[in-house]
Amino acid sequence: GAVVSQHPSWVICKSGTSVKIECRSLDFQATTMFWYRQFPKQSLMLMATSNEGSKATYEQGVEKDKFLINHASLTLSTLTVTSAHPEDSSFYICSAPSATENTEAFFGQGTRLTVV
Amino acid sequence: AQSVTQLDSQVPVFEEAPVELRCNYSSSVSVYLFWYVQYPNQGLQLLLKYLSGSTLVKGINGFEAEFNKSQTSFHLRKPSVHISDTAEYFCAVSDRGGAQKLVFGQGTRLTINP
Repeated sequence: GAVVSQHPSWVICKSGTSVKIECRSLDFQATTMFWYRQFPKQSLMLMATSNEGSKATYEQGVEKDKFLINHASLTLSTLTVTSAHPEDSSFYICSAPSATENTEAFFGQGTRLTVV
Repeated sequence: AQSVTQLDSQVPVFEEAPVELRCNYSSSVSVYLFWYVQYPNQGLQLLLKYLSGSTLVKGINGFEAEFNKSQTSFHLRKPSVHISDTAEYFCAVSDRGGAQKLVFGQGTRLTINP
């Protein structure tokens, strides 16, 4: 199947700094990517839809100025957590829809962010 | 809007025993249904999906699930589990318009004991 790669797999940062997470579709193009957040022992919650060439669409309650999303190319979307705080510590996962099968999405391996 | 409820947060099972992970959903429109597995510190891997047709769906690793429209359920089953099945399992739904935008259940941690 198609491969979606996230980088980094884990990151520790200080409060007040910004962290960038990359999501790449390695062998297919993705005009849309999705960013999810997973709190410990909880489910994945959709944060936003990343759209190549246009602004991201954020879910209700997600601060667009805090979670900056840039879909720079057909294979890359980035999520930047700005001015991170400990409550932003979480597991962030991206997904990209299959280019050929419109009912399937491929997930990255996730990024564990710890803000200290 | 859709919602998904996984009734069991944890399920301990002995190796080679059968297992059922329960999932109920709520939606005002027709949906697609999915089961994903997540191994520690990894992303999600699709186990199986229900789109239409036969209500019994077979997936990878010997798993299967049955769609029950009247009970709005999509329970996951495996007749004989292995140690390697220890993982977190997520049930998810999407509407038929934006199939890749998923609403997840809370997850069920399946622990296989020897």
